[in-house]
Amino acid sequence: DIQMTQSPSSLSASVGDRVTITCRASQNVRTFLNWYQQKPGQAPNLLIFGASSLQSGVPSRFSGSGSGTDFTLTISSLQPEDFATYYCQQSFNAPPFTFGPGTKVDLK
Amino acid sequence: QVQLQESGPGLVRPSGTLSLTCVVSGLSISSGNWWSWVRQSPSQGLEWIGEIYHTGSTNYNTSLKSRVTITVDKSKNQFSLRLTSLTAADTAMYYCVTRPFIHYYFDQWGQGTLVTVSS
Repeated sequence: DIQMTQSPSSLSASVGDRVTITCRASQNVRTFLNWYQQKPGQAPNLLIFGASSLQSGVPSRFSGSGSGTDFTLTISSLQPEDFATYYCQQSFNAPPFTFGPGTKVDLK
Repeated sequence: QVQLQESGPGLVRPSGTLSLTCVVSGLSISSGNWWSWVRQSPSQGLEWIGEIYHTGSTNYNTSLKSRVTITVDKSKNQFSLRLTSLTAADTAMYYCVTRPFIHYYFDQWGQGTLVTVSS
């Protein structure tokens, strides 16, 4: 199965900061890469699919980029409601689907 | 609006069998989506368990395949998970989720149900 890693595992940031999270796949997944946001006590919520397509209803401050094995999720100006854990998930030749270990974004 | 609601026992015994059901509302289970179970634990993170199509076609995570069965009940618009030979490592939050047929992302999630394996 394809393994996913994320960096950093956690970061501290302030409201208004630009935040970048990296996801790496153990092999080429082309652009079959999705991003989810999870807040405490809630299920994950789809933010980005196909590496760079914004899910309906997701604010435009979220963006995704990358292809192959290296991907990034960027929050252009962090808002109070963005403090959460972010997961990447690959779907190349899925199933199976595999998720990254997560990146927790908290308040500096 | 699509809603998924999990139900099942919160506590199960080691070596026992877990049975969970996900009731779908707002969308026919025969609509063309795939219906999955995903679990989350501090030790394993998010782990895809398997999925089913309304025809009964299934795909399973190879690491769990020998212990997992997913079924669908179109008359009740629901699908179910059965996981056997439970150990403490199966303690997790279990989510039912769905993805559109031709896409490979999970766009709707249930709220989750916590399952603890303990004697």
